[in-house]
Amino acid sequence: KAGVTQTPRYLIKTRGQQVTLSCSPISGHRSVSWYQQTPGQGLQFLFEYFSETQRNKGNFPGRFSGRQFSNSRSEMNVSTLELGDSALYLCASSAPGEGKAFFGQGTRLTVV
Amino acid sequence: GEDVEQSLFLSVREGDSSVINCTYTDSSSTYLYWYKQEPGAGLQLLTYIFSNMDMKQDQRLTVLLNKKDKHLSLRIADTQTGDSAIYFCAVKGEYGNKLVFGAGTILRVKS
Repeated sequence: KAGVTQTPRYLIKTRGQQVTLSCSPISGHRSVSWYQQTPGQGLQFLFEYFSETQRNKGNFPGRFSGRQFSNSRSEMNVSTLELGDSALYLCASSAPGEGKAFFGQGTRLTVV
Repeated sequence: GEDVEQSLFLSVREGDSSVINCTYTDSSSTYLYWYKQEPGAGLQLLTYIFSNMDMKQDQRLTVLLNKKDKHLSLRIADTQTGDSAIYFCAVKGEYGNKLVFGAGTILRVKS
């Protein structure tokens, strides 16, 4: 069974631009969650999508948004990038009724 | 809100046991996890325990849960140099799949 796939792996953007990251969950998993990892703040929850609906949201500004498609693939978008958005963005997928959450390799975003 | 705390650093000799500790505040946590992260990589799920269990053993890994004290530990037997990494404790609440993570414990294994 293929794992969680995140694309791209690395991204360099300029302040003020926007970026879209993609996550393909494990086949059969309908829940996708996104996290931001930085040296200063650690791992912070961004949002969770389940069956195309946002089910939970963390404390991030509205510049951070996401969506989920009918095939459970998810995208997150960050608009008007700031230097502080530089981070490793991780996506996790979970199967219905199971407690396990599996993570992808992450997308390393650098904002210059 | 929820809070998860871990000690930041642990150094052990190869072949010894390692014990990484974690405390959490959310008494409604349903699942508790240990993840491993190596440099430049994502998070690898090592093991997890359901909140109604006290202990879970999986090969070299033993997880102990003390619900009364809200304390979780991970014991790695016969620690190897390949176990050097950052270990994260995480807890899941009753609703949805949101995980709250600790800051991570850096495990260094000396040969």
